[in-house]
Amino acid sequence: AQSVTQPDIHITVSEGASLELRCNYSYGATPYLFWYVQSPGQGLQLLLKYFSGDTLVQGIKGFEAEFKRSQSSFNLRKPSVHWSDAAEYFCAVGAGFSGGYNKLIFGAGTRLAVHP
Amino acid sequence: DTAVSQTPKYLVTQMGNDKSIKCEQNLGHDTMYWYKQDSKKFLKIMFSYNNKELIINETVPNRFSPKSPDKAHLNLHINSLELGDSAVYFCASSPPWGRERYGYTFGSGTRLTVV
Repeated sequence: AQSVTQPDIHITVSEGASLELRCNYSYGATPYLFWYVQSPGQGLQLLLKYFSGDTLVQGIKGFEAEFKRSQSSFNLRKPSVHWSDAAEYFCAVGAGFSGGYNKLIFGAGTRLAVHP
Repeated sequence: DTAVSQTPKYLVTQMGNDKSIKCEQNLGHDTMYWYKQDSKKFLKIMFSYNNKELIINETVPNRFSPKSPDKAHLNLHINSLELGDSAVYFCASSPPWGRERYGYTFGSGTRLTVV
């Protein structure tokens, strides 16, 4: 069965420090992978997505993610964190099924806190 | 110019009541979804409609009944509300696979509190 694991429930970094949020997936075929961010009281905003091609994907707000098939991982990175990046981050895999329409299976999320 | 809009944003109601949440998207997407986010922030799909046809029903209690009058609207009606229904409900929409390289657009959520 498809699943997504985000090993870190809560991460705290200092402003200006680099960030890496981990995501591991379980999926039989080539996965479609996504990272979403949820600010407090807000909906989910798509940061970036991977379908195929270059395994290093650039997203909005200075985020990037690298797909590593051998490790079944899709880790999210940012070289320098800003206080406004404090939020909940969700990794998701697109689970296709017959008909081509699909659902997203989400990880449990990682809460990022940023110290000034 | 909100792409996916949900109403209401907050809903507080008593156990046993019936309530509805409305969702509309102006993106021209064919598929719409309802997701539930529990108190631990875990997101799980409930329903999906494609062009008004139900295509995903993830073992949700019968008290939950989605209705899609047209492909731009997907409403969620909940009968006999229970305490465990308290959660944030997100509506989302997406184009079909292969079109615009696919992606969900989420609404801002409806926080339902059952007391």
